[in-house]
Amino acid sequence: ETGVTQSPTHLIKTRGQQVTLRCSSQSGHNTVSWYQQALGQGPQFIFQYYREEENGRGNFPPRFSGLQFPNYSSELNVNALELDDSALYLCASSLDGGGMYEQFFGPGTRLTVL
Amino acid sequence: GIQVEQSPPDLILQEGANSTLRCNFSDSVNNLQWFHQNPWGQLINLFYIPSGTKQNGRLSATTVATERYSLLYISSSQTTDSGVYFCAVLSYGQNFVFGPGTRLSVLP
Repeated sequence: ETGVTQSPTHLIKTRGQQVTLRCSSQSGHNTVSWYQQALGQGPQFIFQYYREEENGRGNFPPRFSGLQFPNYSSELNVNALELDDSALYLCASSLDGGGMYEQFFGPGTRLTVL
Repeated sequence: GIQVEQSPPDLILQEGANSTLRCNFSDSVNNLQWFHQNPWGQLINLFYIPSGTKQNGRLSATTVATERYSLLYISSSQTTDSGVYFCAVLSYGQNFVFGPGTRLSVLP
């Protein structure tokens, strides 16, 4: 059974640029959630995708957007990067939507915005 | 939305000591998980425990849903237990919310 994977591991961008982060869900999981973790804080929910549709969104601006593909892998896109977007971005997958199932996390992508 | 508090915020132990970490939440929950975040940022699943008691080796957890709290017990702590422990909860119709974490340091 393959766990949750994320790419890239690290990324450095400059303010105003755009970035795409990728996540492959655990085998058999159809739900992917994205989180942002700033230094010294707990992860904050960005949004969730369930069977290719957005299924809940946290308090993040529209320049944070996402996609889920038919194989249930997912992308997180961030436009017009700001310095405060520097964080660890975590992806989690679960067996189904609705929050009743255990979430499993990938290793994260550490984004630095200069 | 639901509020999650964790205590203590920081904990320093000598190797071999026992500890109890607490998670309080402000509403009824459908999902509660405990995680250990290692120094590289990986969140490792410890327990999925919306109610009841579970044990896994030196770790055990209890959630008393009616009183809105969960406890994580670590016995005979080891240096590899160091890191940040997060409690995360989900209330029906809401998003998954993480607590601020407890930073544990186990000294040799």
